[in-house]
Amino acid sequence: DTGVSQNPRHKITKRGQNVTFRCDPISEHNRLYWYRQTLGQGPEFLTYFQNEAQLEKSRLLSDRFSAERPKGSFSTLEIQRTEQGDSAMYLCASSLWFTQGTYEQYFGPGTRLTVT
Amino acid sequence: AQTVTQSQPEMSVQEAETVTLSCTYDTSESNYYLFWYKQPPSRQMILVIRQEAYKQQNATENRFSVNFQKAAKSFSLKISDSQLGDTAMYFCAFMKHGGTNAGKSTFGDGTTLTVKP
Repeated sequence: DTGVSQNPRHKITKRGQNVTFRCDPISEHNRLYWYRQTLGQGPEFLTYFQNEAQLEKSRLLSDRFSAERPKGSFSTLEIQRTEQGDSAMYLCASSLWFTQGTYEQYFGPGTRLTVT
Repeated sequence: AQTVTQSQPEMSVQEAETVTLSCTYDTSESNYYLFWYKQPPSRQMILVIRQEAYKQQNATENRFSVNFQKAAKSFSLKISDSQLGDTAMYFCAFMKHGGTNAGKSTFGDGTTLTVKP
């Protein structure tokens, strides 16, 4: 078990460009979450998947954001036409979900996005 | 909707001493978990301790323990024998355990803890 991994770790892009981040969860985990964390703040929920189904999207996730989890394995988060306000750390987490409930999330190292 | 409040943006403690970080939350749920996460500077967020709401006994993990007051919706973290490696930002988090929308976490804004030699 190598934990949750995210790539790239850092991304610098110019305003208006598209970026894509990847998250590889812990292999047996069926839930995958995306959060955004700005400097000095706690993570804010963006969206989550159970297997390949996207079950909820936050109001923070504008139309420029899209996330996928094909085949219920890795996930990608794409931001189109980036804006300076998109600069943040994007965190991925995974967990096991059972019908009785779910347990703690394990976080990846994050992808730090800087939009210039 | 749940809210989590950490009222201490920054704290410091001398090495080997004890420090307590505060957290309050608001929810109408009955089945939930509470967590403390540690995020060292430029490093990954890791779980420190977990408390199930249905358990009356406070959770402990080595030097870390919590004071869970369910009626008061309070969940503080006590770090005993503080070490330099405890320097980090600490986040309190709420997670609904079962039912619809279980699993996603709501975080406080964090407390930056500095352990001084």
